[in-house]
Amino acid sequence: GQQVMQIPQYQHVQEGEDFTTYCNSSTTLSNIQWYKQRPGGHPVFLIQLVKSGEVKKQKRLTFQFGEAKKNSSLHITATQTTDVGTYFCAEIETSGSRLTFGEGTQLTVNP
Amino acid sequence: NAGVTQTPKFQVLKTGQSMTLQCAQDMNHEYMSWYRQDPGMGLRLIHYSVGAGITDQGEVPNGYNVSRSTTEDFPLRLLSAAPSQTSVYFCASSYVRGNTIYFGEGSWLTVV
Repeated sequence: GQQVMQIPQYQHVQEGEDFTTYCNSSTTLSNIQWYKQRPGGHPVFLIQLVKSGEVKKQKRLTFQFGEAKKNSSLHITATQTTDVGTYFCAEIETSGSRLTFGEGTQLTVNP
Repeated sequence: NAGVTQTPKFQVLKTGQSMTLQCAQDMNHEYMSWYRQDPGMGLRLIHYSVGAGITDQGEVPNGYNVSRSTTEDFPLRLLSAAPSQTSVYFCASSYVRGNTIYFGEGSWLTVV
């Protein structure tokens, strides 16, 4: 099946610094979803990108889908301690039945 | 609105024991799935279902059984627990066709 590779695996930042995580695939993705999981919690849906070159913003979070639909990124501007957690990208198969997750980027924010 | 409810939250099993992780959703979602999460390995799909009476295998199905007799419930059965099945298990549901997926709060399972 499809594989999505996510980098970096870990990221430590000082509060106020920016953060970016990348999701890459060797094949064209039908769509991409992003999730956030707080320590000890469960994944929570953030957003879905479907169109080539799509850019969506949620306050300090910016999500991009590559023009070739083979990569995606999540950028957080001016991180806060509330941003701590693991961010996952996930691709849904064309049939809509299976969700394949990247390995996640674990973000820690030093106050 | 309870969303996705998983029980139990914590469980310790001895090797060879069997048990069932329960999952129920009250959102009338067609699609339900089970994932396991291990450190550094993200979430891996165990089994999924696109509707009552229909189930299929995911990436890591060995050692697990599922059934979907109703839209609401999707239990995961461990047939003969092994230490390798020590993990956090998440149940998830959504409308089919790639809508928002809702996760339960997780079940922490330890097999000794």
